[in-house]
This record gives sequence, structure tokens and C-alpha cells, in this order.
Amino acid sequence: QSVLTQPPSASATPGQRVTISCSGSSSNIGSYAVNWYQQFPGSAPKLLIYGQNQRPSGVPDRFSGSKSGTSASLAISGLQSEDEADYFCASWDDSLSGPVFGGGTKLTVL
Amino acid sequence: QVQLQESGPGLVKPSETLSLICSVSGGSISRGDYFWNWIRQSPGKGLEWIANFYHSGSTHYNPSLKSRVTMSEDTSKNQFTLNLSSVTAADTAVYYCARSAPSYDHETLNYAYDALDLWGQGTMVIVSS
Repeated sequence: QSVLTQPPSASATPGQRVTISCSGSSSNIGSYAVNWYQQFPGSAPKLLIYGQNQRPSGVPDRFSGSKSGTSASLAISGLQSEDEADYFCASWDDSLSGPVFGGGTKLTVL
Repeated sequence: QVQLQESGPGLVKPSETLSLICSVSGGSISRGDYFWNWIRQSPGKGLEWIANFYHSGSTHYNPSLKSRVTMSEDTSKNQFTLNLSSVTAADTAVYYCARSAPSYDHETLNYAYDALDLWGQGTMVIVSS
């Protein structure tokens, strides 16, 4: 069971906007930034969003992150078929003195 | 361009020690403002942080694995290693090494070295007799 809670699945049609939620506690999301990762089958995760809403070079601005209290969200606008992947949220946790992850959300582009 | 590559046996017997190496190319593990991490992902399950270190600094372990894990660095080879002792089937997973950079929370003003910005391709380790 993962420390951070995500819905197991999400779906939307091309062009739509989809949001993926991530819930934690005061020892993680409530105190530290949330990072988001994208993972395709058979590949390593890729950093998508860090510091709540910063994007590494090469990540389209269709991807955005936000946080409120002990919850966070990843939003993908203008959904494309190539966005079909697993998405994980993560945050530092004081109890662990290390990063904790969500269980992942499988995004299906209908 | 910095790249990370994991290596090690794909099959380990129960109760033995799993040993993995992460080779870093294109940049030195002893320079720069980064932590170096081991993370694993069990089949069909989520991600689990195992350990990390900062060159010439301290090493940190996941409390749930701390009694069985050792992480070390070899700056002469630009590598770092993971040793996980007394393995069981529950340790079967894809093991990744990864670099982490600071991630700042502009509301709380806290930061942590948990933005995993570079990953190796991962190596599958099966624990079985």
C-alpha cells in the first residue's frame, strides 16, 4: 500500500483536459513540493513536474501541477494519444527521510 | 550528457545478498548538487525508495529496509553500489538507480533532494531458488 493515494485509472478523449489527484499528509505533501513522473511500459519513470509546477526541459506546457494543503493534482490539457501512460506522484516524507510515491494512475486516451 | 546504467545478476537465491552497481557516465558523482539513489518497482506495483547518498556526506536508508541495505560509492570508478542481504521473493523487482536534484516548495519554503531527474534503464532482479 502506497503512502500517497492516487486513483488507479483515469481516461479522457483526445483534446480534453484530464486531472489526476494525489493525496498525502502533513509529513509529506503538506510540507514539501510534489513531483510527478510519467512511465511507459518497459521504461524507467521520467520526471514530468517538480517543485509543484516546474517542468524539466522538453516537457510540454500542456502538463501542469498544483497543490493545496495535503493534496496535489496533475493536469494534462490538449490530451494526445502519446500521453497514454502511468503517472506517479511523489513527495519527501519526514517520517521516512526520503521520497514516498503514489501507487500510480494509468491514463487511457480513448 | 549524464547517463546511469545498472548492472548485476538477474537471479538471486533466497537468503543470499543482492548486489547491484550503478555506473555513471558523462558526469562525476563527486561533483554537483545532486543526491544519488536506489529505487525499486515490484511487478505491477508502485515505486519504493531504497537509499541515497550525497558525495562526502551521509547515506540515508528507507527504515523498512535499513537493517538489510548497504549503499556505497566508488569515486575512482564513478560508480555506486547497492547490497541487499537476506533477500526473499518480496525483493523481486526492477531496481533503478537515479539522480535527484532539489525540489522547492514555494509555499512552505521547504526543499528536499527528491526530484529524480535522471534514471537508469532499470534491471530486473528475481529472487528464486
